[in-house]
Amino acid sequence: GQNIDQPTEMTATEGAIVQINCTYQTSGFNGLFWYQQHAGEAPTFLSYNVLDGLEEKGRFSSFLSRSRGYSYLLLKELQMKDSASYLCAVLDSNYQLIWGAGTKLIIKP
Amino acid sequence: GAVVSQHPSWVICKSGTSVKIECRSLDFQATTMFWYRQFPKQSLMLMATSNEGSKATYEQGVEKDKFLINHASLTLSTLTVTSAHPEDSSFYICSARLGQGSRFTYEQYFGPGTRLTVT
Repeated sequence: GQNIDQPTEMTATEGAIVQINCTYQTSGFNGLFWYQQHAGEAPTFLSYNVLDGLEEKGRFSSFLSRSRGYSYLLLKELQMKDSASYLCAVLDSNYQLIWGAGTKLIIKP
Repeated sequence: GAVVSQHPSWVICKSGTSVKIECRSLDFQATTMFWYRQFPKQSLMLMATSNEGSKATYEQGVEKDKFLINHASLTLSTLTVTSAHPEDSSFYICSARLGQGSRFTYEQYFGPGTRLTVT
């Protein structure tokens, strides 16, 4: 079966750094997405990785290791508005998005 | 670019009635649209995938006769919840993608969601 694991909830302090991990086992791999979803809103795109390595985009970075079936999303200089759920999703061999359950990130002052 | 709209943003209906939700890609043609349902504090659950001009593909456990999907054009898909019941109350989100070729065409652009409450 296909499986994506990420922690259910994480807590971090404003101004700090947090890393949200995602491991996956899917039938094929055509890329990994990270989305942010605020409560009551639709997901918004954060990043896409298809090759190994780190992609940096402002305060957010995303890392991929295909051999390990592993990705992480790194958030720096945390702000209160970063409190949201972060969804990891893998594009499988059929180009279907397989979604993780999401990680709820709580930012404390 | 790549804006997806949904209408209505919220709806309250009585048990037994039907509700139609529209999903439109405003500035691009979407070969494929997806319908998701999300219950409180849970992740997105894919209900069905629809390609323009063809029948939708429903995920296991989703009743196709209850959740009618029509993807009549490259910019519009509709989800009709027929004979709605309180357990159908949920946040329904549509997404659209361009098609094949690159990350940008496989990326899903989400609508703002429709909150359905069935009383």
